Amino acid sequence: KAGVTQTPRYLIKTRGQQVTLSCSPISGHRSVSWYQQTPGQGLQFLFEYFSETQRNKGNFPGRFSGRQFSNSRSEMNVSTLELGDSALYLCASSYRDGREEQYFGPGTRLTVT
Amino acid sequence: DAKTTQPTSMDCAEGRAANLPCNHSTISGNEYVYWYRQIHSQGPQYIIHGLKNNETNEMASLIITEDRKSSTLILPHATLRDTAVYYCIVRPLGDKIIFGKGTRLHILP
Repeated sequence: KAGVTQTPRYLIKTRGQQVTLSCSPISGHRSVSWYQQTPGQGLQFLFEYFSETQRNKGNFPGRFSGRQFSNSRSEMNVSTLELGDSALYLCASSYRDGREEQYFGPGTRLTVT
Repeated sequence: DAKTTQPTSMDCAEGRAANLPCNHSTISGNEYVYWYRQIHSQGPQYIIHGLKNNETNEMASLIITEDRKSSTLILPHATLRDTAVYYCIVRPLGDKIIFGKGTRLHILP
């Protein structure tokens, strides 16, 4: 079974631009969660989508948004990029039917200059 | 904030059992204990989880104390590839995962 895939793997943007990251979950998984990882703050939860609905949300500004499609694929968008948004963005998927283990993708490394 | 306390770092000799402790003294009755690890430059990897009984799978064993206020992850025969940051997390089913700082485990040859 294929794992969680994220595209692109690396991205360089400039301040003020916006970016869209994509995540394809493991086949059969209906939940997708997004995390931001930085050296200073560690792994921080952004949001979770289940069956196209946002189910949980972390403490991030409204510039961070996401969505999930009917095939469970998910995208997250960051508008008006700031230097502090430079991070590894990780996506994780799970069944969410009592099988709660999350399986993470390799991440997208975003650099904002 | 994370509801767990873990040592910042630990060393273990290759081939020996690595025992990683975790304190979760405020755990609620409906919260599970989860362990994940993150090898450098990769996404976190699920290891094991449990509610109150000890659990074992092909990767590790999880020992939860009777009062559920602490637990230990055991890697029975550590290899160099087990060098990673190990995260202990407590959460109810269906809730978001809050990662703490974790324990940086060094396996020494």
